[in-house]
Amino acid sequence: QSVLTQPPSASETPGQRVTISCSGSSSNIGSNYVYWYQDLPGTAPKLLIYKNAQRPSGVPDRFSGSKSGTSASLAISGLRSEDEADYYCAAWDDSLSGLLFGGGTKLTVL
Amino acid sequence: EVQLVESGGGLIQPGGSLRLSCAASGFTFSTYPMTWVRQAPGKGLEWLSYISGSSSTIYYADSVKGRFTISRDNAKNSLYLQMNSLRAEDTAIYYCARVSTILTVDLDYWGQGILVTVSS
Repeated sequence: QSVLTQPPSASETPGQRVTISCSGSSSNIGSNYVYWYQDLPGTAPKLLIYKNAQRPSGVPDRFSGSKSGTSASLAISGLRSEDEADYYCAAWDDSLSGLLFGGGTKLTVL
Repeated sequence: EVQLVESGGGLIQPGGSLRLSCAASGFTFSTYPMTWVRQAPGKGLEWLSYISGSSSTIYYADSVKGRFTISRDNAKNSLYLQMNSLRAEDTAIYYCARVSTILTVDLDYWGQGILVTVSS
């Protein structure tokens, strides 16, 4: 069981907006940056969001991140079929002295 | 172009040992922290270990502490993961990943992954 809690699944139709949540605690999200990764089948995970809300070059602005207190969220607007993937949040945990990943959210584009 | 290529995986019996390597190119390896992450079949991502550029700072996940050892050879642009006392639950794809800065832990480049299967 992950210390960072994500919904196991989410779904939405093409063109719509979906939000994936990530809940943690004061020792991880509450005091450190949140990162988001996209995991497509058969490929290595890809960094989508760093420092809570920053996008690496090449990541479309359809992807956005936010953080408030001990929770964070990833929003994807203008959904496309190629966005169908697993999404993971991550944050450093000061108590564990380690990087935590959320359990992952499987996004289905209906 | 940044490239990370893992090697050394395969089938190993429970209780055995394996050493994974990660060959890095396209960047100044010694200036970047590195990590190992794994993904068991059908499961999520699990962070395993972190090593700073100079090897002065090392962290491990509790699940592998005392069994796995991370190391690097900056002269060879290589990262390693020595895995001992392997268990069936260590079966996974193992990824090496670059940490983008010393102040954050975003993993900006990943290898393609290498499969480790622990089974008799």
